[in-house]
Amino acid sequence: KAGVTQTPRYLIKTRGQQVTLSCSPISGHRSVSWYQQTPGQGLQFLFEYFSETQRNKGNFPGRFSGRQFSNSRSEMNVSTLELGDSALYLCASSFQPGQGAETQYFGPGTRLLVL
Amino acid sequence: GQNIDQPTEMTATEGAIVQINCTYQTSGFNGLFWYQQHAGEAPTFLSYNVLDGLEEKGRFSSFLSRSKGYSYLLLKELQMKDSASYLCAVRANDYKLSFGAGTTVTVRA
Repeated sequence: KAGVTQTPRYLIKTRGQQVTLSCSPISGHRSVSWYQQTPGQGLQFLFEYFSETQRNKGNFPGRFSGRQFSNSRSEMNVSTLELGDSALYLCASSFQPGQGAETQYFGPGTRLLVL
Repeated sequence: GQNIDQPTEMTATEGAIVQINCTYQTSGFNGLFWYQQHAGEAPTFLSYNVLDGLEEKGRFSSFLSRSKGYSYLLLKELQMKDSASYLCAVRANDYKLSFGAGTTVTVRA
């Protein structure tokens, strides 16, 4: 079974621009979570979607948004990019939202560089 | 908020044992996970603990004490391929997963 895929893998943008990242979960998985990973802050939770609804949200400004489609694919958008948004953005999928031993499987990430 | 602490770096010799500690303070508790992340790659799931005690999976074991807010990951018979970052993550009552900063383990020949 194919794993979680993320596109694009690498992206360079300039301050003030906006960016859209895409995530396709493992077939059959309906829950998708997004994380930002930076050397200083580690992995930080952005949001979680299940059945096209945002179930949980981390402590990020409103410039960070996301959505999920009926086929469980998810996108996240960052508007008005800042230098500090440079990071690895990871998507993780699971069969259902986190309960019990429900495990999240991570994609390879999108590395975003903001200049 | 959540507070998850783990050492930044550890170094060990091939064939040895290394124990990575993780302490946490979270709003409720719904399970603790350990992930392995090689440089430039995605994190991969290693173990899950929700009850106190030791869970063993081959060369890797994970221990949990909920009353102490403490867990450790034990890596036995270290191999060079075990050089990676190890992430401790706790799921709180809101089902969000919070990660520690990660422990970089370097295995030397």
